[in-house]
Order: sequence, then C-alpha cells, then structure tokens
Amino acid sequence: DVKVTQSSRYLVKRTGEKVFLECVQDMDHENMFWYRQDPGLGLRLIYFSYDVKMKEKGDIPEGYSVSREKKERFSLILESASTNQTSMYLCASSLLQTANTEAFFGQGTRLTVV
Amino acid sequence: AQSVTQLDSQVPVFEEAPVELRCNYSSSVSVYLFWYVQYPNQGLQLLLKYLSGSTLVESINGFEAEFNKSQTSFHLRKPSVHISDTAEYFCAVSDLRFQKLVFGTGTRLLVSP
Repeated sequence: DVKVTQSSRYLVKRTGEKVFLECVQDMDHENMFWYRQDPGLGLRLIYFSYDVKMKEKGDIPEGYSVSREKKERFSLILESASTNQTSMYLCASSLLQTANTEAFFGQGTRLTVV
Repeated sequence: AQSVTQLDSQVPVFEEAPVELRCNYSSSVSVYLFWYVQYPNQGLQLLLKYLSGSTLVESINGFEAEFNKSQTSFHLRKPSVHISDTAEYFCAVSDLRFQKLVFGTGTRLLVSP
C-alpha cells in the first residue's frame, strides 16, 4: 500500500519559532510537493522538488523554505512562524513522467501559530 | 498559466438524489484533469482522472466525469448520492512538465437523509 507519511497531525507553535514539517514517502517517487490548504482558497503550492537537493518555488513560497537531502524525505521549514501561517499543510508525491501523474497525499498537518 | 474554477463552494443534496459538481479549467496546452476527494480530517484521495482517450471517466464508487474540451469543463456527476459521499471535492489540472497540480477552491458536498 502506497504511503505518504507526515510526522505530525497537529502542531501548536509560538510566533517566531522555527518550525519543521516532515514528510516521507515509500514509493520511490521523484516528485514531492508541499501544499497549504485554507478554507475558500483550496490548495496552494508552496514548494516542490523533482530530485534530491532540487527545489522549485510554487505559488506562495514567501516565509517558507524546503530541504530534500534524501529521495524519500521532503521537509518544509518555517524560518520564523507567524500567525498567518496557521493552516493545514499537505505533502504529496508523484512519479516524474508525463502520463499517469496521480499524486498521493499525506494525512496533513494542522499547524496553529499562537 | 493554468487555472481551475469551481463555482460552487457548497452543494447540499438529499440522499439518493443526483448531483453535479462543476469544474472549469483554463489552459493553453493539453492537460490532465483530476478529481480528488477529502473526507473529514483526512488527506486527499484520487477519485478519477482524465489523461487521454474516452472523454467519460468513471470511478469505482459510482462517480463519473466528462471531459469537454470545447467548454473547457470536467464536471463530476453521480446519479444517486449516499450519506457517505459527504466530503470536499477538488478539481485539479496538471502541469505536464513537473506534474504540478493546480487545484480549484473545492466544493463541499453535504448529503442529508
């Protein structure tokens, strides 16, 4: 059974803290993604990576960075958490090919910044 | 740039009634189209996808969607809904280079008895 695992379901952090959200996939997928989900806005792409040590900005990268040191792991970093980063964060992975481009999602991490 | 529009933020319907969730996309190139479903407190699951071939695609739980290139639409339909279909549904279009998914804002389907 394919799996994308996010390290935490719920997190509460204080303003200004450095926050790490971890994601691991066991499908040997090249692509990995971090999305943010907010009511009425759907899912918005923060960053994605198509290979180890490679990263590309998505639509809303400000305030975030990422790290991909191993193929199976993709980390999202909030350098200095702010209350407007309170949201649901979803990690996804997919194969790097032009067909059958289904993305598999983790369960999500609900982050609250107080 | 690609974009997806889901005009209905919420669709209330009675059990066993038919339902249509609307999705329109904008793209200047060939696209892949997807419907994902999100049950409460869960991640997204693929419901169905259009990659090529037949314009009518079906899922295993009775949903279907029809790709209409001239109307740039990919509406999701089910002839008879169940309480268990209550969820949020997201339409998405894929960027062919890196398979980045661009999502619509979602439609919450509320099925009541």
